Amino acid sequence: AQSVTQLDSQVPVFEEAPVELRCNYSSSVSVYLFWYVQYPNQGLQLLLKYLSGSTLVKGINGFEAEFNKSQTSFHLRKPSVHISDTAEYFCAVSSPSGGSYIPTFGRGTSLIVHP
Amino acid sequence: KAGVTQTPRYLIKTRGQQVTLSCSPISGHRSVSWYQQTPGQGLQFLFEYFSETQRNKGNFPGRFSGRQFSNSRSEMNVSTLELGDSALYLCASSPGSSSYEQYFGPGTRLTVT
Repeated sequence: AQSVTQLDSQVPVFEEAPVELRCNYSSSVSVYLFWYVQYPNQGLQLLLKYLSGSTLVKGINGFEAEFNKSQTSFHLRKPSVHISDTAEYFCAVSSPSGGSYIPTFGRGTSLIVHP
Repeated sequence: KAGVTQTPRYLIKTRGQQVTLSCSPISGHRSVSWYQQTPGQGLQFLFEYFSETQRNKGNFPGRFSGRQFSNSRSEMNVSTLELGDSALYLCASSPGSSSYEQYFGPGTRLTVT
């Protein structure tokens, strides 16, 4: 079985400051990892994904994440946030099960960017 | 390409009624998954369809059902609605035969009164 823990339910930050949203996962097999963003009254949008290869993954809107296998983490970072980054962020892990790879989502982290 | 579309976007129903939600995946995507999102439980997987067959099912009662048509469009049905079914229902489609990379629709907000 796989699981995802997003360590912070809410992260307040000032505009132009750096931010890190933390994600830890557990799985008994190799995994694929994802970060999604959800703006109010919208569905989830894929920010970035790790499937294999380089452990540093770059995504849209200036976000990046680093896969750390030994620490089973996949933290999301952005060097300078904007007001428009205020949203809910979800980490997800996927591993093979019954022929498909249905992802398991974390509970989400609400990023609140203050002016 | 057009994204995943869901209809209707908002719905208000009464306890005991049934409801059908519709999802049109991205063109060429054959896998469709459904999720229920609530503040208390987060994102919970309902079921996944691939080539008109249910491939995976989450831990929901039998009141929740779904199907997929030959054009990959999918519907989910909830019978005998309960207040606790109030949620945002999200549909996601995936390219290829695996479902790890999901593209979400805007969701249907269901309110049960």
